[in-house]
Amino acid sequence: GQNIDQPTEMTATEGAIVQINCTYQTSGFNGLFWYQQHAGEAPTFLSYNVLDGLEEKGRFSSFLSRSKGYSYLLLKELQMKDSASYLCAVLDSNYQLIWGAGTKLIIKP
Amino acid sequence: GAVVSQHPSWVICKSGTSVKIECRSLDFQATTMFWYRQFPKQSLMLMATSNEGSKATYEQGVEKDKFLINHASLTLSTLTVTSAHPEDSSFYICSARESGEHTEAFFGQGTRLTVV
Repeated sequence: GQNIDQPTEMTATEGAIVQINCTYQTSGFNGLFWYQQHAGEAPTFLSYNVLDGLEEKGRFSSFLSRSKGYSYLLLKELQMKDSASYLCAVLDSNYQLIWGAGTKLIIKP
Repeated sequence: GAVVSQHPSWVICKSGTSVKIECRSLDFQATTMFWYRQFPKQSLMLMATSNEGSKATYEQGVEKDKFLINHASLTLSTLTVTSAHPEDSSFYICSARESGEHTEAFFGQGTRLTVV
């Protein structure tokens, strides 16, 4: 079966760095997405990785290792507004998005 | 980034009535559109995938006669919840992709449906 695992909840301090991990087992792989979702809102796109390595975009970076079925989202200089759920999703061989359950990130002052 | 407009943002309807939700891609051609629903504190659940001009492919457990999906053009898909019941109350989200191997999916704003 297809499976994506990410921690349910994480807590971090304002100004710090946090890494949210995602491991996946899917039928085929055509890319991995990270989305941010604030409560009651639709997800917003953060990053897309299809090749191994680190993609940096401002305070957010995303890493992918296809051989390990592993990705992480790195958030630097955390701000209170970063409190949200972070969703990992993999595009499988049929180009369907397989979603993780999301990681709720709580930022404390 | 590309824009996907979903309408309405929220709707309240009576049990037994039907509700139509629209999803439009404003600045690209959406060859594929996805419809999701999300219950509180749960992840997105894919309901169906539709390709322009074809019948939608429904996920297991999703009633196709209850959730009618139409994707008649490259910029518009609609989800109609027929004979709505209180248990259909949920957050419905559409997303759209252009054709191509590695294109990202863009999400609509979501529709909060409350059936009373």
